[in-house]
Amino acid sequence: SAVISQKPSRDICQRGTSLTIQCQVDSQVTMMFWYRQQPGQSLTLIATANQGSEATYESGFVIDKFPISRPNLTFSTLTVSNMSPEDSSIYLCSGGGGVEETQYFGPGTRLLVL
Amino acid sequence: DAKTTQPNSMESNEEEPVHLPCNHSTISGTDYIHWYRQLPSQGPEYVIHGLTSNVNNRMASLAIAEDRKSSTLILHRATLRDAAVYYCILRNSKLTFGKGITLSVRP
Repeated sequence: SAVISQKPSRDICQRGTSLTIQCQVDSQVTMMFWYRQQPGQSLTLIATANQGSEATYESGFVIDKFPISRPNLTFSTLTVSNMSPEDSSIYLCSGGGGVEETQYFGPGTRLLVL
Repeated sequence: DAKTTQPNSMESNEEEPVHLPCNHSTISGTDYIHWYRQLPSQGPEYVIHGLTSNVNNRMASLAIAEDRKSSTLILHRATLRDAAVYYCILRNSKLTFGKGITLSVRP
């Protein structure tokens, strides 16, 4: 199994600023993903974090808005850039193995943009 | 990604079995069937997954139809702690969540 931690756990930010969320896994994982979850909604996949290369973004998400880094097999960051109130959400990181393996999720980062 | 269809909600009584259905008629041969659940104010947690054969683990059982176009997650004895949103997901690379089914457990 893997334990995933995220920093910060929550934050309140002003519009126009940027926030970087860190995701740390306690063991090496093959796959890492970033998700967003609006209140009362399901999880929406933002991107796949690729080690040593550019992330793969889902439709509706772009690198300029959500730059992602993954320097190694245990760590990734997601930056929410030039924030607006519409970015208020829970951001979750997950890590794990391939399609036949388990994905583990962090507790989420609760972001409020004023 | 192939799509899954689940009922919006289901109610169960504590200590009774629960059968959560999922339809996935467009499943491809390489799609694994994964189930995750999300308790209130927590990140999702893995429940079970399978490809073709039925699967059992300490949390649940997964019954997969012979044509793989549907599956059922079985909780053998529901507890209050099992109240959550359960997601049935077809995975061939990414893990893409649908709306899930909200399970309520009555004492």
